[in-house]
Amino acid sequence: GNSVTQMEGPVTLSEEAFLTINCTYTATGYPSLFWYVQYPGEGLQLLLKATKADDKGSNKGFEATYRKETTSFHLEKGSVQVSDSAVYFCALSDLPNDYKLSFGAGTTVTVRA
Amino acid sequence: DTGVSQDPRHKITKRGQNVTFRCDPISEHNRLYWYRQTLGQGPEFLTYFQNEAQLEKSRLLSDRFSAERPKGSFSTLEIQRTEQGDSAMYLCASSSPGENSPLHFGNGTRLTVT
Repeated sequence: GNSVTQMEGPVTLSEEAFLTINCTYTATGYPSLFWYVQYPGEGLQLLLKATKADDKGSNKGFEATYRKETTSFHLEKGSVQVSDSAVYFCALSDLPNDYKLSFGAGTTVTVRA
Repeated sequence: DTGVSQDPRHKITKRGQNVTFRCDPISEHNRLYWYRQTLGQGPEFLTYFQNEAQLEKSRLLSDRFSAERPKGSFSTLEIQRTEQGDSAMYLCASSSPGENSPLHFGNGTRLTVT
């Protein structure tokens, strides 16, 4: 079955530091890959997605590239801000708009001023 | 866009009691999903509706759980004879059928079974 493994947290960074959160997946076929973010006190929201190999999703300065050869979808941001403090979830689904998602356990990121 | 609304936000109940949660999706969304999230884990898919039809149920959804969406608008999730292992955050989400339509999550209902 489908599964997602993401880097364990918590991660604590200083403002303007580089952020990477590793995500690898196991799936049959060609899944779509997602990063969701949960800010304190808010619901999960889609950060970015990629639906086929070599696609790059990007949003709010975050990027992730769908790497089929390494079954990975690592999240990166070049210069984090305090407002990026949140829990980040990697997820996959079998189809681009099928939201029967398999989520990773989440990575808590705290950015200090 | 008023967002996905869930009620109640918190529910504390004694083991063996029945509980019911409500989800109001974004009005034009025909797809509705329920997920469960336990502490330190990502959400797990429970069930999915397209309009009023329940199209898929996870193995996680034991026969004590039942979900309905009678008119294709709001949905309810009922848990009968609650157990301590049912303690979790129950998340509702909705989406429209458009190709690039994102999934919108509510803030969840936190259930504590004592």
